[in-house]
Amino acid sequence: QKEVEQDPGPLSVPEGAIVSLNCTYSNSAFQYFMWYRQYSRKGPELLMYTYSSGNKEDGRFTAQVDKSSKYISLFIRDSQPSDSATYLCAMSATTGGSYIPTFGRGTSLIVHP
Amino acid sequence: ETGVTQTPRHLVMGMTNKKSLKCEQHLGHNAMYWYKQSAKKPLELMFVYSLEERVENNSVPSRFSPECPNSSHLFLHLHTLQPEDSALYLCASSQGTAGLTDTQYFGPGTRLTVL
Repeated sequence: QKEVEQDPGPLSVPEGAIVSLNCTYSNSAFQYFMWYRQYSRKGPELLMYTYSSGNKEDGRFTAQVDKSSKYISLFIRDSQPSDSATYLCAMSATTGGSYIPTFGRGTSLIVHP
Repeated sequence: ETGVTQTPRHLVMGMTNKKSLKCEQHLGHNAMYWYKQSAKKPLELMFVYSLEERVENNSVPSRFSPECPNSSHLFLHLHTLQPEDSALYLCASSQGTAGLTDTQYFGPGTRLTVL
């Protein structure tokens, strides 16, 4: 079983839709959860991060963590064509003193006008 | 230049060639990383440098050789690569020495093709 599972998609939605992107994980030591956005021909950029369980909102984006289910989500409201990108989840733990994040393989999102 | 820059952006090389990838960060960070990104696979951490010392080497074949001459520059020297090494190679940097909430800032990557 991979440490972090993420459906690669592609996920295709019409403009204005609510998008839900998800990751599951197996390591209960993960405490810090991140979402990166990667446009074509660019490196990933940090979109949001949350520490432990709960929700965090930033504009049209909401990150949600459910540690009991080992499940994290990123919701995008009123999706725009400019949101078309690959979204990578990442998470890190304190195991062994190394905090290097473990990444999912990314979900490709296409928002069509 | 701002952020993290990488050169070249594209590289095509034969299996017997020797080439180097360069990364430079203009953020005053202390940690730098090399990642490999292959299609439909998670980012694979290759090397971590903290304050110019290698702190992690993730079982990477010896045909990849990193070099960190100072906290702003990171190189990846390549020799006798295999076609399966074709991928996007990403450099990243972070403020601290790879702490729990250290945010990594990525460069645009070098698209490497090995013929």
